[in-house]
Amino acid sequence: NAGVTQTPKFRVLKTGQSMTLLCAQDMNHEYMYWYRQDPGMGLRLIHYSVGEGTTAKGEVPDGYNVSRLKKQNFLLGLESAAPSQTSVYFCATQGYNEQFFGPGTRLTVL
Amino acid sequence: QQQVKQSPQSLIVQKGGISIINCAYENTAFDYFPWYQQFPGKGPALLIAIRPDVSEKKEGRFTISFNKSAKQFSLHIMDSQPGDSATYFCAASPWGGTASKLTFGTGTRLQVTL
Repeated sequence: NAGVTQTPKFRVLKTGQSMTLLCAQDMNHEYMYWYRQDPGMGLRLIHYSVGEGTTAKGEVPDGYNVSRLKKQNFLLGLESAAPSQTSVYFCATQGYNEQFFGPGTRLTVL
Repeated sequence: QQQVKQSPQSLIVQKGGISIINCAYENTAFDYFPWYQQFPGKGPALLIAIRPDVSEKKEGRFTISFNKSAKQFSLHIMDSQPGDSATYFCAASPWGGTASKLTFGTGTRLQVTL
């Protein structure tokens, strides 16, 4: 069991470029989350999904879009990257109450 | 609005000492209080969790103390070891098995020195 995997691990973008981060899980969990982690600010929820075909906004959704076409995958998109989106992005799935995190994607926007 | 306040931001403890991290919450609907541990370059992982029907939960060297009336909970790490050096996040959510979104504290970076 791989648990929660994230692709890519690192990425450098130029301002205005777009990209998609992929989260995949083999835990058969309904609920999936995207967070960003910035120094001194903890984990902030970007978007989440309570099941295939559903998405909802979290605390800091602006500049991001998500899709959950398959239960096992949750995609995070940046349409026009900005330097303020430089961060470490974590995907998580949720069991009964516990969340299981992926290893993260470190994104730098120049 | 920060619903879970965590302190201190950083902590240095000598090997063998006790590390104490505190969190306070505002939302009385919160009914589940986990602590997550994160090592550099890794995602957070559940360390220990408590529900308010007990005032304390212990797992090995890690103990959660919970004060419902004060809306506070804390993590105690006894006999702290260099391998405990990590960032610790408290969190809170309603209990229920549905998409109970966790609200995280801002994290405490713990360094255990020799």
